[in-house]
Amino acid sequence: SQTIHQWPATLVQPVGSPLSLECTVEGTSNPNLYWYRQAAGRGLQLLFYSVGIGQISSEVPQNLSASRPQDRQFILSSKKLLLSDSGFYLCATARSGSHNEQFFGPGTRLTVL
Amino acid sequence: RKEVEQDPGPFNVPEGATVAFNCTYSNSASQSFFWYRQDCRKEPKLLMSVYSSGNEDGRFTAQLNRASQYISLLIRDSKLSDSATYLCVVSPGGGADGLTFGKGTHLIIQP
Repeated sequence: SQTIHQWPATLVQPVGSPLSLECTVEGTSNPNLYWYRQAAGRGLQLLFYSVGIGQISSEVPQNLSASRPQDRQFILSSKKLLLSDSGFYLCATARSGSHNEQFFGPGTRLTVL
Repeated sequence: RKEVEQDPGPFNVPEGATVAFNCTYSNSASQSFFWYRQDCRKEPKLLMSVYSSGNEDGRFTAQLNRASQYISLLIRDSKLSDSATYLCVVSPGGGADGLTFGKGTHLIIQP
């Protein structure tokens, strides 16, 4: 079965510092991968998705970037964090053979101070 | 217009009661529809997929009305453990598209 790992689980960072969040997937190959953010009082928002190594699509202009250096690894980065980057960051993948049924990793809770 | 709209609640419901949530979506080309459940400070988890005219899974029934662009979730014989936020979710296409989430409806089951 497919499993998603994310780390770190929680992170507190000062404004202007860099960010690197990692997501890895087990139990599948060539998965579609997604980064979502859930900010306080808001719904989940799609940030990036990837259909393969080196292929990244960005959904909204922002202070973040994503990379997919390996088939089952998806990284979310920032060079300089803003206060508005605080939120709950979730990595997801679609279940094999489903109609885009996505399931999520445990998430990283980021607080920017 | 918001893409997926839900009543945020909270819905305070006595244990054993039946509760219904509604959701509307704006993209008429949407292909797939889901209800997710999210517990406090946890990741969302898939509760049900809704593919055609609706489906049932135990105490949960989901309905889809494509003409009205409306999705519903019915919970019968509610349990304390049903307390959570219920997210209405739409997939715009059938491929690799990301999901579009409503903000969720908060349900509190009271003993």
